[in-house]
Amino acid sequence: DQQVKQNSPSLSVQEGRISILNCDYTNSMFDYFLWYKKYPAEGPTFLISISSIKDKNEDGRFTVFLNKSAKHLSLHIVPSQPGDSAVYFCAASEEDKIIFGKGTRLHILP
Amino acid sequence: DAMVIQNPRYQVTQFGKPVTLSCSQTLNHNVMYWYQQKSSQAPKLLFHYYDKDFNNEADTPDNFQSRRPNTSFCFLDIRSPGLGDAAMYLCATSIYDSNQPQHFGDGTRLSIL
Repeated sequence: DQQVKQNSPSLSVQEGRISILNCDYTNSMFDYFLWYKKYPAEGPTFLISISSIKDKNEDGRFTVFLNKSAKHLSLHIVPSQPGDSAVYFCAASEEDKIIFGKGTRLHILP
Repeated sequence: DAMVIQNPRYQVTQFGKPVTLSCSQTLNHNVMYWYQQKSSQAPKLLFHYYDKDFNNEADTPDNFQSRRPNTSFCFLDIRSPGLGDAAMYLCATSIYDSNQPQHFGDGTRLSIL
């Protein structure tokens, strides 16, 4: 049973607009959440994270929001750029392990 | 640049023929992980090491073994690969702290003939 779910396999967004990627989780013991970005033929690279004691973390164009009561987090990218086209993995951490979602493929349209 | 390096990037082996994938790191991280990722699936943790302490996931098949001879290197051995073992294998490292991200290599894509 998936503990971390990314229900949208793909998402297309116009360049310059906001991209919103969503993630749901089931385990209330998760205490740290991460987003990774993956280009073809490369490994995932860490993008941004948030601790369970916070509800928002911002880093440049990237903001992660955490809603613990809904067990939901989202990644906002604004403005979206062509180089943002990639697969984005949501991940959640409990102690020493990270559980990944299946990923969402983001296409930034010109 | 400090990094995680996986060799080879592409590996082809025959059904049942043992294969070893390697991972090295210059980050001096004490935790190393091996993941299996199949197409359109989440990376699945196979096992990880805290220093030399080996931690196997409960659902990792016995066919998969690992060795970590020192801090820098970690190996994944597949004793008798089956067609279902064709996948991308990702190595990752981290500092031993639950709130630290993992750093990934670029993976080895394994094909089984």
